[in-house]
Amino acid sequence: EVQLVESGGGLVQPGGSLRLSCAASGFTFSSYGMSWVRQAPGKGLEWVSGISGGVGNTHYADSVKGRFTISRDNSRNTLFLQMNSLGAEDTAVYYCARHTGVYYVDDWGRGTLVTVSS
Amino acid sequence: EIVMTQSPATLSVSPGERATLSCRASQTASSNLAWYQQKPGQAPRLLIYGASTRAAGIPARFSGSGSGTEFTLTLSSPQSEDFAVYYCQQYNNWPLTFGGGTKVEIK
Repeated sequence: EVQLVESGGGLVQPGGSLRLSCAASGFTFSSYGMSWVRQAPGKGLEWVSGISGGVGNTHYADSVKGRFTISRDNSRNTLFLQMNSLGAEDTAVYYCARHTGVYYVDDWGRGTLVTVSS
Repeated sequence: EIVMTQSPATLSVSPGERATLSCRASQTASSNLAWYQQKPGQAPRLLIYGASTRAAGIPARFSGSGSGTEFTLTLSSPQSEDFAVYYCQQYNNWPLTFGGGTKVEIK
């Protein structure tokens, strides 16, 4: 059974940093593309960043480019999202998402809440 | 960036009444279009990929159609558990983009 478990969310002050983790199990993690997708309170889904399986090519939404960094540790079956220069607009539930060979999401984590507030 | 526009924002239907949801892309997404269902407090769930292929375990009352820039999700006879928010997502180009969602509510 595929499991994606996010951690690392919490309350952070504007301008601060946070690192999210997603522990994956139940599949060959290194072979799959992965993404972070967020959802602000009461709003829709927004794709944030993705990383391919294999060579680990990365992609970012314009809203986070230059502030967020996605990475993966295939030896630990873990996906990361380093978030810097956080603002109120980054407040959201952040979901870890698994892609198939093409980039729709076939499995989702339960999400971790990030709140940016003073 | 491909902008995805869903309509209507809210759709009120009676159980068993056919529901048709629309998703439009600002440029071609080919058939690289997925639909998701999300219920309150839950993560989204994949319904349809490749514009028309049902994901594993998805009932036949859910169907998808379209290609290029116009896509449709049809609920042929909605059951009580189908009242939720539905999102489309294109994966033809980076960045991946979602539509704003359609809430299907009980009339």
